[in-house]
Amino acid sequence: SQTIHQWPATLVQPVGSPLSLECTVEGTSNPNLYWYRQAAGRGLQLLFYSVGIGQISSEVPQNLSASRPQDRQFILSSKKLLLSDSGFYLCAWSPPRSSTDTQYFGPGTRLTVL
Amino acid sequence: SQQGEEDPQALSIQEGENATMNCSYKTSINNLQWYRQNSGRGLVHLILIRSNEREKHSGRLRVTLDTSKKSSSLLITASRAADTASYFCASGRTYKYIFGTGTRLKVLA
Repeated sequence: SQTIHQWPATLVQPVGSPLSLECTVEGTSNPNLYWYRQAAGRGLQLLFYSVGIGQISSEVPQNLSASRPQDRQFILSSKKLLLSDSGFYLCAWSPPRSSTDTQYFGPGTRLTVL
Repeated sequence: SQQGEEDPQALSIQEGENATMNCSYKTSINNLQWYRQNSGRGLVHLILIRSNEREKHSGRLRVTLDTSKKSSSLLITASRAADTASYFCASGRTYKYIFGTGTRLKVLA
């Protein structure tokens, strides 16, 4: 069966510090991968998605970047965090070449920027 | 914002009652999906309805879709305390799904 991991679970970082959040998927090959951000009490905002190694699509221009160095690894980064980067970050995967794009979510990382 | 909208934003019912929540969206879609999120956790997929379907059932869940009105509804029958969570619709096509702002459901035992 497939599983998705995210770490860390929680993170408190000062403004201006770098960020690296990691997501890995097990039990599948060539998954589509997604990064979302959820502000408190809000819906999810799609940040990035990837259909293959090195292929990243950015949905919202901002202070963040994403990379996919391996087939089942997706990394969210920032060089300098802003207060507005605080939120709940969710990674998800969907099967490749799926006709439905049903997404399976990780447990999330709660980021607080002070 | 391009986010879809759910209503009501919050719903409180007694155990055993039915819960209905609605979702509106703005763009053309391949399918519409409903997800559930327990507090502070990731989302869990509940049910998917394709754009050429009007109604779908899964256990205690019933989803309807009206593409002419760009709206969907999720009905949870015979609710249980364990159904307490936030429910989101996700509408879109290939990789780009727009999630609504969610309905917070509280089921009182």
